[in-house]
Amino acid sequence: GQNIDQPTEMTATEGAIVQINCTYQTSGFNGLFWYQQHAGEAPTFLSYNVLDGLEEKGRFSSFLSRSKGYSYLLLKELQMKDSASYLCAVRPTTDSWGKLQFGAGTQVVVTP
Amino acid sequence: GAVVSQHPSRVICKSGTSVKIECRSLDFQATTMFWYRQFPKQSLMLMATSNEGSKATYEQGVEKDKFLINHASLTLSTLTVTSAHPEDSSFYICSARDESADTQYFGPGTRLTVL
Repeated sequence: GQNIDQPTEMTATEGAIVQINCTYQTSGFNGLFWYQQHAGEAPTFLSYNVLDGLEEKGRFSSFLSRSKGYSYLLLKELQMKDSASYLCAVRPTTDSWGKLQFGAGTQVVVTP
Repeated sequence: GAVVSQHPSRVICKSGTSVKIECRSLDFQATTMFWYRQFPKQSLMLMATSNEGSKATYEQGVEKDKFLINHASLTLSTLTVTSAHPEDSSFYICSARDESADTQYFGPGTRLTVL
């Protein structure tokens, strides 16, 4: 079956760094996505990894290790507006339409 | 990123009525769109995959006769919740697959409240 695990909640202070881990066991692999979702809003796309390694986009970086079934999202120089739920999603190779399997999300709380 | 719109953003209806939600990709063509439902403090639950010009594919446990999906063009998919009941109250979100960018972009969501 499909299994995507990420922590339920993390708290960090403004200006700090937080790393959100995601482990997955899926029927094949064709990419891992991170989305940010503020309360009451739809998810917004943050990053996409299909090969091993680190992808950096400003304050956000995402890392992938396919052999370990592991990814993390790194948020640097945290700002209050970064308080949100962060969703890890995997696209299995078995799905030709590009369907994503989502984790339950990690609620990040940024404190002053 | 690409833009996906949804309409309406919020709807309140009486039990037994039907509600139609539109999802449009504004600056790219989407052969495939997805419909999700999200209950408070829970993750996204995929309801169905909508393919332009063909029948939608529903996830296990989702009633196709209750949640009618039509993907009539490369920029528009609609979800109709038929004979809505209070338990159908939820946040409905669509996404569209942008094949050139190899990713999905989400619409802003529709909050449905059934009285």
